[in-house]
Amino acid sequence: EDQVTQSPEALRLQEGESSSLNCSYTVSGLRGLFWYRQDPGKGPEFLFTLYSAGEEKEKERLKATLTKKESFLHITAPKPEDSATYLCAVQGPNYGQNFVFGPGTRLSVLP
Amino acid sequence: KAGVTQTPRYLIKTRGQQVTLSCSPISGHRSVSWYQQTPGQGLQFLFEYFSETQRNKGNFPGRFSGRQFSNSRSEMNVSTLELGDSALYLCASSLGGQDQPQHFGDGTRLSIL
Repeated sequence: EDQVTQSPEALRLQEGESSSLNCSYTVSGLRGLFWYRQDPGKGPEFLFTLYSAGEEKEKERLKATLTKKESFLHITAPKPEDSATYLCAVQGPNYGQNFVFGPGTRLSVLP
Repeated sequence: KAGVTQTPRYLIKTRGQQVTLSCSPISGHRSVSWYQQTPGQGLQFLFEYFSETQRNKGNFPGRFSGRQFSNSRSEMNVSTLELGDSALYLCASSLGGQDQPQHFGDGTRLSIL
């Protein structure tokens, strides 16, 4: 059974203090790993898709990387507006779209 | 380009009633998926529809059902509501390919009294 875990559960950073969030997964035949950001009262907002080990994607202060068993979301010099819950999800080999989501990391960036 | 639209945003029901939630996907998207989000269980997959056919189903009881119309709009129905059905119900749409990202609406908050 596909499983996704994320750590830490919650993270508090000072503005400008860089850090990384972890997403570990077990899935046979990974088709894609997806990162989302979710603000309170809103649906998840798509950030990145990673398809194969070694791949990296960047967007503003965020950089996502992928290995065979985990993915990292690196946040460089975060700002308070980066505060949100970050979710990762995996898509296995089964036909169609059936994402398995991790529990998320709740990030707070203090000014 | 308009995003995924879910209606209503909030709903209050009592135990035993039934409810229908609606989702309008992004224009051109043919796949619509439904998820239940609760503080304890996180995001859990309910089912996916593609071209009016259910393509995938999660581990939820038969009280949870859905359908998709020819214009890709989708509805989800929950019958005989239970207190544990209180949750945020999220709809996501995509182009439908297996490695395509899903784009979410802001959900319907369902409260069962």
